[in-house]
Amino acid sequence: AQSVSQHNHHVILSEAASLELGCNYSYGGTVNLFWYVQYPGQHLQLLLKYFSGDPLVKGIKGFEAEFIKSKFSFNLRKPSVQWSDTAEYFCAVIIPGSGNTGKLIFGQGTTLQVKP
Amino acid sequence: KAGVTQTPRYLIKTRGQQVTLSCSPISGHRSVSWYQQTPGQGLQFLFEYFSETQRNKGNFPGRFSGRQFSNSRSEMNVSTLELGDSALYLCASSSQGLETQYFGPGTRLLVL
Repeated sequence: AQSVSQHNHHVILSEAASLELGCNYSYGGTVNLFWYVQYPGQHLQLLLKYFSGDPLVKGIKGFEAEFIKSKFSFNLRKPSVQWSDTAEYFCAVIIPGSGNTGKLIFGQGTTLQVKP
Repeated sequence: KAGVTQTPRYLIKTRGQQVTLSCSPISGHRSVSWYQQTPGQGLQFLFEYFSETQRNKGNFPGRFSGRQFSNSRSEMNVSTLELGDSALYLCASSSQGLETQYFGPGTRLLVL
C-alpha cells in the first residue's frame, strides 16, 4: 500500500538552529509532493509543493524542500528556525488514480518545538 | 475572501447515533475534500467531491458518506457512530482538485 513516512515524530531545537525533517513515500510513479504546517490553534496550511521541474522548491517563511526521486524523499529544511516555527509539520503525497482522480496521503506528522 | 468554514465546531454524540457535518468552501472552489485526524492514525483522506460528484474515496467503511450541493457546499455523514470515530474532521477546498487545498478549522467530534 502507498504510504508516507516521516522519520521524526518530535523535534526540539533552539532558535537559530538548522532544521531538516525527513519524508519518504512509497510509490513508484509520478507524484505531487507537499509539506503542510499546522501552527498551534490555526488551520492546516500549505507550506510548499512540488509538481515538476526544479527539485529544490522554496516555500513560505524561508522553508525549502528537496525532491530526490531516487530516494523517494522530500525532506523539508530551514537554515535557521525561529520560535514562531513551533508547529506540527505534515508531508503529503498525491497518489494518482485513474483519469483525473487521486488520493492525498499524509505522513504521521512531526511536532517541532523551538526553544527561545 | 472568506476561508473554508465548518459547522458545527464541536459535537458530542453517543454510540449508534448518526452525525452530519457541514463544510462551506471558499467562493469559486468546486472541489471539497474531507479528512479525519486522530492522534493514532494521523490525517486520513475520506473523500473528495467535485461538481457534486464523488471523485476520490479513501479506505473508510460505508458508514462514512458525503455529498456536495450545487453551490459546492458539502456535507459528511457518519452513521452508527463508534467510539473510534472520535476525531477532528477537516474539510478542504480548492478550485480544481487536491493540488492546492485550503483547510477549514475542523469539527471536533466526540463519541461517548
